[in-house]
Amino acid sequence: AQSVTQPDIHITVSEGASLELRCNYSYGATPYLFWYVQSPGQGLQLLLKYFSGDTLVQGIKGFEAEFKRSQSSFNLRKPSVHWSDAAEYFCAVGAWTGANNLFFGTGTRLTVIP
Amino acid sequence: EAQVTQNPRYLITVTGKKLTVTCSQNMNHEYMSWYRQDPGLGLRQIYYSMNVEVTDKGDVPEGYKVSRKEKRNFPLILESPSPNQTSLYFCASSSPGQGANEQFFGPGTRLTVL
Repeated sequence: AQSVTQPDIHITVSEGASLELRCNYSYGATPYLFWYVQSPGQGLQLLLKYFSGDTLVQGIKGFEAEFKRSQSSFNLRKPSVHWSDAAEYFCAVGAWTGANNLFFGTGTRLTVIP
Repeated sequence: EAQVTQNPRYLITVTGKKLTVTCSQNMNHEYMSWYRQDPGLGLRQIYYSMNVEVTDKGDVPEGYKVSRKEKRNFPLILESPSPNQTSLYFCASSSPGQGANEQFFGPGTRLTVL
């Protein structure tokens, strides 16, 4: 069965510092991996996605993520965090089950200190 | 503007009073789904639909119904709401694909059942 683990419930970083959010997945085939961001009171916005090819993917807002098959990980990174990045971040794996189902992690809440 | 809309955005109701949350998309997507988001649990899929008149259960379907009579609409029905259905609900849509296509999310509906 598919599953996604985000081990960090809450992370606090200073503005300008680098950021890495962890995501580990369990899936029996080649995964389709996504990172979504949810700003307070908002819906979910896609940051980036991985299907195949280059294991380092670039997304919006200066985010990137690296797929590491050997570690079953898809960690999200940003070299310099801005105060506006404060939000909740969700990692998800897409599965071919006859439909475009997404399986989400429990999320990581990011606080940015000025 | 391509979007998924949900109504209402906020709803407070009482146990047992039937309610419907509407979802509409203007992107001509075949696939639509409903998720609920609860603290510490991430997003869990309630129901999904691969096309008109084709629906199926997700991970947490108990207490919910859906219908897909038109391609653009996918209402979520709570016949007899209970307090454990207090949650934040998201509708999403996408074009068909093997788990690879981006899902577009609505803004969410915050439901409180007293």
